[in-house]
Amino acid sequence: ELKVEQNPLFLSMQEGKNYTIYCNYSTTSDRLYWYRQDPGKSLESLFVLLSNGAVKQEGRLMASLDTKARLSTLHITAAVHDLSATYFCAVEKGTYKYIFGTGTRLKVLA
Amino acid sequence: GAGVSQSPSNKVTEKGKDVELRCDPISGHTALYWYRQRLGQGLEFLIYFQGNSAPDKSGLPSDRFSAERTGESVSTLTIQRTQQEDSAVYLCASSDSGGASYEQYFGPGTRLTVT
Repeated sequence: ELKVEQNPLFLSMQEGKNYTIYCNYSTTSDRLYWYRQDPGKSLESLFVLLSNGAVKQEGRLMASLDTKARLSTLHITAAVHDLSATYFCAVEKGTYKYIFGTGTRLKVLA
Repeated sequence: GAGVSQSPSNKVTEKGKDVELRCDPISGHTALYWYRQRLGQGLEFLIYFQGNSAPDKSGLPSDRFSAERTGESVSTLTIQRTQQEDSAVYLCASSDSGGASYEQYFGPGTRLTVT
């Protein structure tokens, strides 16, 4: 059974600091997705990582995928308050089926 | 362009009643998913539709849950004899299986409260 674990589950950080969120999964997969969810809102797609070594960057967020280690990271650079949200990774199992991580609730303090 | 829409946005129902939730996917998207998200938790896969193929119902938690999809368009998720543990946000997503990635686009969700 494919399991997807994120850590930390909760993260409180100061503005301007850097931090990394980790997404580990238990079986082979070549596709991984990161989503953002604001309180009371739906999920917004951030990154699609389709192969080993893939790296994507958007603003202060950078995501990478290591399929051999079954690990993806979401790195936050110089955090700002607007990044406060819950971040989910999702791993594709077989074709079309996705298993979501438990989410990382990020709070950036001014 | 139009995104995924869901209705109603909120639904309060009494225990034991049936409810029907609706999802309109992005036009042309052949894949459609239903997920459940309990308060403060991650997404739980419920069911997946792909074109005219038989749906993957492996995530439905009990036989009180069922879903239908009309061709490659609207889908309805029905919960019969609702229980309090059914209270959650139900999210629908669609994707273009013909694309390079199978990125999902989510609707705003339906918040179901069973009293």
